Amino acid sequence: ETGVTQTPRHLVMGMTNKKSLKCEQHLGHNAMYWYKQSAKKPLELMFVYSLEERVENNSVPSRFSPECPNSSHLFLHLHTLQPEDSALYLCASSQDSAGNTEAFFGQGTRLTVV
Amino acid sequence: AQTVTQSQPEMSVQEAETVTLSCTYDTSESDYYLFWYKQPPSRQMILVIRQEAYKQQNATENRFSVNFQKAAKSFSLKISDSQLGDAAMYFCAISESDMRFGAGTRLTVKP
Repeated sequence: ETGVTQTPRHLVMGMTNKKSLKCEQHLGHNAMYWYKQSAKKPLELMFVYSLEERVENNSVPSRFSPECPNSSHLFLHLHTLQPEDSALYLCASSQDSAGNTEAFFGQGTRLTVV
Repeated sequence: AQTVTQSQPEMSVQEAETVTLSCTYDTSESDYYLFWYKQPPSRQMILVIRQEAYKQQNATENRFSVNFQKAAKSFSLKISDSQLGDAAMYFCAISESDMRFGAGTRLTVKP
């Protein structure tokens, strides 16, 4: 247990559904991240939040919508996804977004789009 | 842009032996940080070891050590006295302002 909790652990959704992934950290960190992990590919950084402000959006399709209501919570809202969006979605947090500190990861949400 | 290359999709090692996982990277910066993360079947990524680029001395953490060659942009991980619990995916990462990962190496430990 690294202090970062993701729910749900598994999610199956249809292409017309709307769902949300939740991430919670109580480590006192100021930066939170969403990564997409697909088989045999590098982790893809999707979004970076620092002090609840989005500081990076790596050309992610608009069907993925992040929300950071406070420094402890991060959401990823999903709508009209495609089968190729099936992957493991990892949330992480770090003390700050300067890049010199360790990132702590959650266990991920295994998403399957049918 | 930062890119990280792990040229070994899979590696295997006998228990108690030593194995080295390769990682090369590309960056235009002189100041950055390098990490090795482990992802066991439980899926939770755990930091194994980290190296500051401005430090010449190779980082060590118990049975884990790195060979950091800044000029060659190489950052390999050596695991000594391998244990069954070391079996996992290992990811190399570089960080300047945000963290970028390689595709990973799956390590199998044979009893």
